[in-house]
Amino acid sequence: AQKITQTQPGMFVQEKEAVTLDCTYDTSDQSYGLFWYKQPSSGEMIFLIYQGSYDEQNATEGRYSLNFQKARKSANLVISASQLGDSAMYFCAMREAEQGAQKLVFGQGTRLTINP
Amino acid sequence: NAGVMQNPRHLVRRRGQEARLRCSPMKGHSHVYWYRQLPEEGLKFMVYLQKENIIDESGMPKERFSAEFPKEGPSILRIQQVVRGDSAAYFCASSFTWGTPNEKLFFGSGTQLSVL
Repeated sequence: AQKITQTQPGMFVQEKEAVTLDCTYDTSDQSYGLFWYKQPSSGEMIFLIYQGSYDEQNATEGRYSLNFQKARKSANLVISASQLGDSAMYFCAMREAEQGAQKLVFGQGTRLTINP
Repeated sequence: NAGVMQNPRHLVRRRGQEARLRCSPMKGHSHVYWYRQLPEEGLKFMVYLQKENIIDESGMPKERFSAEFPKEGPSILRIQQVVRGDSAAYFCASSFTWGTPNEKLFFGSGTQLSVL
């Protein structure tokens, strides 16, 4: 079963608009963490934001915020006031604790293109 | 404060040759993870190592692939008798502590392996 699902293979957004990238996850653990990473065309993986399963507040990091809806098992990334430099692949990932797993499980990614 | 260093950045091998990919974790990090990324896909976990120990190799192919993280020196991912299907980007990540859910992984820039 797919642990992390990103349903948007590609998105096109006008510069300065806000954009929401979808992510749903599947776990039976009570304790887990959700991450978003950005991968520009240069290839490196850049950490953006983290949300813990017990965190009551939605995580925010500058222009990035995470819309965490635990009951729906969704952790959407919101980028406010998009910039041309935001064009990249974006990956949602989950880390489970109770299963003893040490690994991050990644979704397939969403390719975001910001148009001027 | 150097990040995770991977080398080489690009590696070209002919079928049947050996590929050795190196990863130096961030200073102070003793946990190393290797991931593989096929084109247009997310990262897939391969192996998790601590110094001199393989902790989780559930994502490693059973044959031809091996990994080590010696007491001194970088972590090495070794692929023997490479085949075209091994062509991918191989990412190394490191972390400071043992895998709690909020443990952020810091990624290197990856090694792009091309098998001719």
